Amino acid sequence: ILNVEQSPQSLHVQEGDSTNFTCSFPSSNFYALHWYRWETAKSPEALFVMTLNGDEKKKGRISATLNTKEGYSYLYIKGSQPEDSATYLCAFKGSGGYQKVTFGTGTKLQVIP
Amino acid sequence: DSGVTQTPKHLITATGQRVTLRCSPRSGDLSVYWYQQSLDQGLQFLIQYYNGEERAKGNILERFSAQQFPDLHSELNLSSLELGDSALYFCASSLGVAGHNEQFFGPGTRLTVL
Repeated sequence: ILNVEQSPQSLHVQEGDSTNFTCSFPSSNFYALHWYRWETAKSPEALFVMTLNGDEKKKGRISATLNTKEGYSYLYIKGSQPEDSATYLCAFKGSGGYQKVTFGTGTKLQVIP
Repeated sequence: DSGVTQTPKHLITATGQRVTLRCSPRSGDLSVYWYQQSLDQGLQFLIQYYNGEERAKGNILERFSAQQFPDLHSELNLSSLELGDSALYFCASSLGVAGHNEQFFGPGTRLTVL
């Protein structure tokens, strides 16, 4: 059983604050890590796909880093806005031809205006 | 709109019945994934198909089966339904089979088993 853990489980921040959360995953047999944003009553939307140790990806005010040796990824949101309120999921894919995708349970972010 | 379509949007049925959920991937995508989201659980990966062939399997029950057809649409069949099968079922598609391909999710099918 693969453990993909996200912390914190939920987070409330004020509009304009910057925030970050963590995804921990197995450090062996790494292939890829995905980040998704999931708004209530909608479908998950891909943010980043990260494959290389030391990868840093950025999309607007959201960025992510990856450390495959120690098995973690950080997602950062700079200057949070109410529209950033969503659940942020990470998903781990191991190497090997028949590896399943394992999702974390998510970090629920609420940005207070 | 991700370009992935799922039908039906809602499905209400009784225990012991069988249902089929349908997914059409984005144009050009060859991989289809099925996920289940139950009320008290996160997103659980069920199964992946690539160009008609099964490529990865997750926590899919034996009562469930899936296939991908030559036109690349996929169906998830759920049989001998139980109350605990009530969930939101998502389909996602990606261009290729590799784990670094971005996945695009459909709107989901909400299944209620009474």
